[in-house]
Amino acid sequence: GAGVSQSPSNKVTEKGKDVELRCDPISGHTALYWYRQSLGQGLEFLIYFQGNSAPDKSGLPSDRFSAERTGGSVSTLTIQRTQQEDSAVYLCASSLALVRGDINTEAFFGQGTRLTVV
Amino acid sequence: QKEVEQNSGPLSVPEGAIASLNCTYSDRGSQSFFWYRQYSGKSPELIMSIYSNGDKEDGRFTAQLNKASQYVSLLIRDSQPSDSATYLCAAYSDNDYKLSFGAGTTVTVRA
Repeated sequence: GAGVSQSPSNKVTEKGKDVELRCDPISGHTALYWYRQSLGQGLEFLIYFQGNSAPDKSGLPSDRFSAERTGGSVSTLTIQRTQQEDSAVYLCASSLALVRGDINTEAFFGQGTRLTVV
Repeated sequence: QKEVEQNSGPLSVPEGAIASLNCTYSDRGSQSFFWYRQYSGKSPELIMSIYSNGDKEDGRFTAQLNKASQYVSLLIRDSQPSDSATYLCAAYSDNDYKLSFGAGTTVTVRA
């Protein structure tokens, strides 16, 4: 596609339910990032993928959070047993590659998924 | 210590003036630096990239990088009301392949 696509745009879920957030990166982009932005706050790094591999999962807030990427393209962020503090906008970004000091590292964001846990 | 720090603002400038935004980073392994603009309720939009020391100009925007001082800045010349937004500084590090963001500086341009 022309840009990074995220779905759904909005999600309201009940506390304790599981949710899946989807990110479809720009075609040909091998690197993919997930961030979380709470109301009025900055971007909190969650995880990145190079291809299908996620070498560093330390940014995930708890073991209720997991992410996968298949076929080097679409990524899914899953939150199990959602809590009210999980309410935020979840942003996905993609870049061509993770290459030293280069235009390849320019990252472009999707429109985000606004998650509300009630 | 936060990896990327920005002057917190908010910054209010009159229309037509220069807005100056500053950013410092802690990881000397950082090689790529970016400025994003984020309008309220929208996702960040990439407006400038800089990779080597010195200045880079694009229209009314000028980014400056000083790796020795670990400092990045953004100047917005002839500020317009449409420039009113939060500006995010980001640094990409080769050490951990992480793209880290500052907390952002909110700019308001007064007509």
